[in-house]
Amino acid sequence: DGGITQSPKYLFRKEGQNVTLSCEQNLNHDAMYWYRQDPGQGLRLIYYSQIVNDFQKGDIAEGYSVSREKKESFPLTVTSAQKNPTAFYLCASSMGLYGNQPQHFGDGTRLSIL
Amino acid sequence: KQEVTQIPAALSVPEGENLVLNCSFTDSAIYNLQWFRQDPGKGLTSLLLIQSSQREQTSGRLNASLDKSSGRSTLYIAASQPGDSATYLCAPKAAGNKLTFGGGTRVLVKP
Repeated sequence: DGGITQSPKYLFRKEGQNVTLSCEQNLNHDAMYWYRQDPGQGLRLIYYSQIVNDFQKGDIAEGYSVSREKKESFPLTVTSAQKNPTAFYLCASSMGLYGNQPQHFGDGTRLSIL
Repeated sequence: KQEVTQIPAALSVPEGENLVLNCSFTDSAIYNLQWFRQDPGKGLTSLLLIQSSQREQTSGRLNASLDKSSGRSTLYIAASQPGDSATYLCAPKAAGNKLTFGGGTRVLVKP
């Protein structure tokens, strides 16, 4: 079955630690996205990538980093510079950045602070 | 900057009643608008995508309308069922080809 796989489902971070969230898709999509969702709020865009080896900052990129070395993979690192990392993180993909292709989402990773 | 508002924030209805969920956005220069469903602790499931040139889009019991000039979209769910209980999010796609999300409407359908 084609889809987006996020792992782990739950993640705990200690103070001063970097953690990496995994996102893999087998939909052959070019574009991938990372969003953050806080309780009772809509999603906010962290980073997005239109193609391999290229990515752009979204609205709340500070304290996060990404890489796009393979088409199917778009990992997100939450660095120690992100002072309020507790949130639900969602990865999405679409055929392309432009046009009318819908975005499809993974099941999310919930990050908490120890 | 695009701002998206969804009203009401929460809605509780008896089974069988029709649902009307509203979405308004400030930048009417959109390419399309997507409606999503989110179950607790889960990701988003795409329900409908309505293009800027369309007035409405239908899928089964779901119907989404779009009035781009007034910055509004409405999602209608006919003959609601307990399985429709979830949070519904709208997201217009505007400048920069990025989605902007509303805060969602939390729906509870009581048997």
